Amino acid sequence: DADVTQTPRNRITKTGKRIMLECSQTKGHDRMYWYRQDPGLGLRLIYYSFDVKDINKGEISDGYSVSRQAQAKFSLSLESAIPNQTALYFCATSDWGRYEQYFGPGTRLTVT
Amino acid sequence: GQQLNQSPQSMFIQEGEDVSMNCTSSSIFNTWLWYKQDPGEGPVLLIALYKAGELTSNGRLTAQFGITRKDSFLNISASIPSDVGIYFCAGQVDRGSTLGRLYFGRGTQLTVWP
Repeated sequence: DADVTQTPRNRITKTGKRIMLECSQTKGHDRMYWYRQDPGLGLRLIYYSFDVKDINKGEISDGYSVSRQAQAKFSLSLESAIPNQTALYFCATSDWGRYEQYFGPGTRLTVT
Repeated sequence: GQQLNQSPQSMFIQEGEDVSMNCTSSSIFNTWLWYKQDPGEGPVLLIALYKAGELTSNGRLTAQFGITRKDSFLNISASIPSDVGIYFCAGQVDRGSTLGRLYFGRGTQLTVWP
């Protein structure tokens, strides 16, 4: 079984809808991250959490919110989706004191 | 935020050729990581570098942490079709509020012709 799982893997939604992307991990890592990937732009950090009570904004947090429900679960919400939020979204984890991050398989989100 | 310049942006090579790509930053980094992303998948960690001058291999892949701590290099020897994908560099600035965050390059898209 995969160590970092994301649901759904693909989602098509309409402008203005609220949508939640979920991430779960079995690696036992404290730190979790949400990234967005657009063609040619690499990976940009949306939010990150170093433990259950810690939430931090990344480079591009506007229009997004997150919830760290447990050590193993970190969800990303789009309160009112817009077309330029169409992208690939990745969740990642890292262990305390380590810098290596381990990525989930991604969610392809399309906002029409 | 930190700027990472990764080059080349894309490469088209023949199977069996060697490949070189690099990443430079305007800041000193304490850790350099190299990832590969296959189509439709998440990035997978290839090599991690922790000390200036460090040279580390993983099969046909070799990466180096530059002496200035502002650059890193990845070489792939004797490329094969399954090397196709996007290669990302990532760096860690171990300072203040950015502790624990990685900064990513924009990626090098590698295509290998049989």
